Amino acid sequence: QSALTQPASVSGSPGQSITISCTGTSSDVGSNNLVSWYQHHPGKAPKFLIYEGSKRPSGVSNRFSGSKSGNTASLTISGLQAEDEADYYCCSYVGSSLYVFGTGTKVTVL
Amino acid sequence: EVQLVESGGGLVKPGGSLRLSCVGSGFTFSNAWMNWVRQAPGKGLEWVGRIKSKPDGGTTDYAAPVKGRFTVSRDDSKNTVWLQMNSLKTEDTAVYYCVTGLPLDYWGQGTLVTVSS
Repeated sequence: QSALTQPASVSGSPGQSITISCTGTSSDVGSNNLVSWYQHHPGKAPKFLIYEGSKRPSGVSNRFSGSKSGNTASLTISGLQAEDEADYYCCSYVGSSLYVFGTGTKVTVL
Repeated sequence: EVQLVESGGGLVKPGGSLRLSCVGSGFTFSNAWMNWVRQAPGKGLEWVGRIKSKPDGGTTDYAAPVKGRFTVSRDDSKNTVWLQMNSLKTEDTAVYYCVTGLPLDYWGQGTLVTVSS
């Protein structure tokens, strides 16, 4: 099972909105609603942001939102802040009780 | 507060074995599905494997690169999950994270495993 495809980097200015895509196939992202998103500041433990495509766990800022269309899931960060600078990963159920992460996207706040 | 503390990482030669431990607290460990996720140097996250809770069958599943070499087990009386890693390869060098649930909600700080001669 290959990693899901994410852009290597996305950047934006403070206050702007950015969107990170996560592209899979009809066998993984396109076949279920089990995509989740994670924020990872290097050297720290990753943080859970979104589950089931668009749901936010309690405590996660509503500046983070998720969606899906076909074989592509997306994470949008609105009102970009300096502390949002991190690596972001999607993760999808791929069948047979297995999961795969995306390739990861480095977000830079200009 | 949920806490996950990994230990057991270190330097091991190719072909060797290592066992990682993860102790959880602040949640009902016996009901939790427990995962291991790794990140190789300069690379992205990779799901390694998972053990379900005993009420859900206690079964295990593994990613293709580690299947047959790695084993996840648990002892709910000790709130502990292990990752037994055998026949280690240089490409297994990574920080290994212990993670609860699916989706992966709580993460430990990770333990570094280096496979090198």
